[in-house]
Amino acid sequence: ILNVEQSPQSLHVQEGDSTNFTCSFPSSNFYALHWYRWETAKSPEALFVMTLNGDEKKKGRISATLNTKEGYSYLYIKGSQPEDSATYLCASVGSGNTGKLIFGQGTTLQVKP
Amino acid sequence: DAGITQSPRHKVTETGTPVTLRCHQTENHRYMYWYRQDPGHGLRLIHYSYGVKDTDKGEVSDGYSVSRSKTEDFLLTLESATSSQTSVYFCAISESSLYYGYTFGSGTRLTVV
Repeated sequence: ILNVEQSPQSLHVQEGDSTNFTCSFPSSNFYALHWYRWETAKSPEALFVMTLNGDEKKKGRISATLNTKEGYSYLYIKGSQPEDSATYLCASVGSGNTGKLIFGQGTTLQVKP
Repeated sequence: DAGITQSPRHKVTETGTPVTLRCHQTENHRYMYWYRQDPGHGLRLIHYSYGVKDTDKGEVSDGYSVSRSKTEDFLLTLESATSSQTSVYFCAISESSLYYGYTFGSGTRLTVV
């Protein structure tokens, strides 16, 4: 079973702070890495899908980087806002044929006004 | 126009009874997945489907079965519900997780008493 680890487990920041989280995954047999944003009482929503080593993706104030050789990805949030409060999940594709995702346990971000 | 719907949204059932959860999609995506969400465990894959009548087990499949008789429907059955199956169940669909994020349903909250 593929192990996907995320750190920290939770994070409390002040509005305006920039922050980042880490996702680590096995670097062998890598196919793709996903990031999701999951707000309380809602469903996870896809942020990024990355496949290439060195890949960088950006969506507004949120960006992500990927290092497939060493098996990690970073998610950055610049100038955090209260509406960024959510759990951020990363997931790695466990098998290219079936595309099933193995999720990390998530990093829960709380942004205080 | 949600593209993916789950039913029921909430269910309370008694230990030992069979329960079926339904996931319906209108996107014609090939891949469909059932996950359960539990505190401290994140999202764990129960079963998945890579085509009509093509299904396979995930990491926590014991006590569950699935069926997919047509592209749009993926059913999850708890053969004899137990209290350990009290959880929130999410269905997800994907065209290809190598390039696109999953789309998740709204979830089904199941309580086994």
